[in-house]
Amino acid sequence: DADVTQTPRNRITKTGKRIMLECSQTKGHDRMYWYRQDPGLGLRLIYYSFDVKDINKGEISDGYSVSRQAQAKFSLSLESAIPNQTALYFCATSEGRAHNEQFFGPGTRLTVL
Amino acid sequence: QKEVEQNSGPLSVPEGAIASLNCTYSDRGSQSFFWYRQYSGKSPELIMFIYSNGDKEDGRFTAQLNKASQYVSLLIRDSQPSDSATYLCAVTGSARQLTFGSGTQLTVLP
Repeated sequence: DADVTQTPRNRITKTGKRIMLECSQTKGHDRMYWYRQDPGLGLRLIYYSFDVKDINKGEISDGYSVSRQAQAKFSLSLESAIPNQTALYFCATSEGRAHNEQFFGPGTRLTVL
Repeated sequence: QKEVEQNSGPLSVPEGAIASLNCTYSDRGSQSFFWYRQYSGKSPELIMFIYSNGDKEDGRFTAQLNKASQYVSLLIRDSQPSDSATYLCAVTGSARQLTFGSGTQLTVLP
């Protein structure tokens, strides 16, 4: 089984709809992250969580919210989707060590029409 | 100035050659440096990390770090067509967050 899973893997939605992307991990890591990837722009951090009670905004948090339901689960929500949120979304995890190696889920391809 | 810069490429090398990928970073407080490989449509996969100045070798891969010059590189020896991918440089800066470069696309020609 994959260590980091994301659901759904693909989603097409319409402008204004609320959508939730889910991430689960079996690695036992405390830290979880949400990134988006756009062509030519690399990976950009949306939100991150160092434990269940700790949620932090990343570089591009506007238009997004998150929920850390348990150590193993971290969800990303788009309250009212817009076309420029069309992107590839990745969840990642890491241990709470200084060097912060991160391990990625398979990604969710989101299209907002 | 971007925090982490990479030449976007594409970089093409013949099979069996050495591929050299370069990355510069702006935060002098950066502590940890990573190279990820990403195949088209797939998730990034960690292939190398380096924390100290100098070279670190792992199989066909060598990471090189020069903190004084704020420069990190990845050498791939005996390049294979299966190495064709985008390589992402990532740096943990003084804010303890991982910042990614935009990636270098590598093509290994048979």
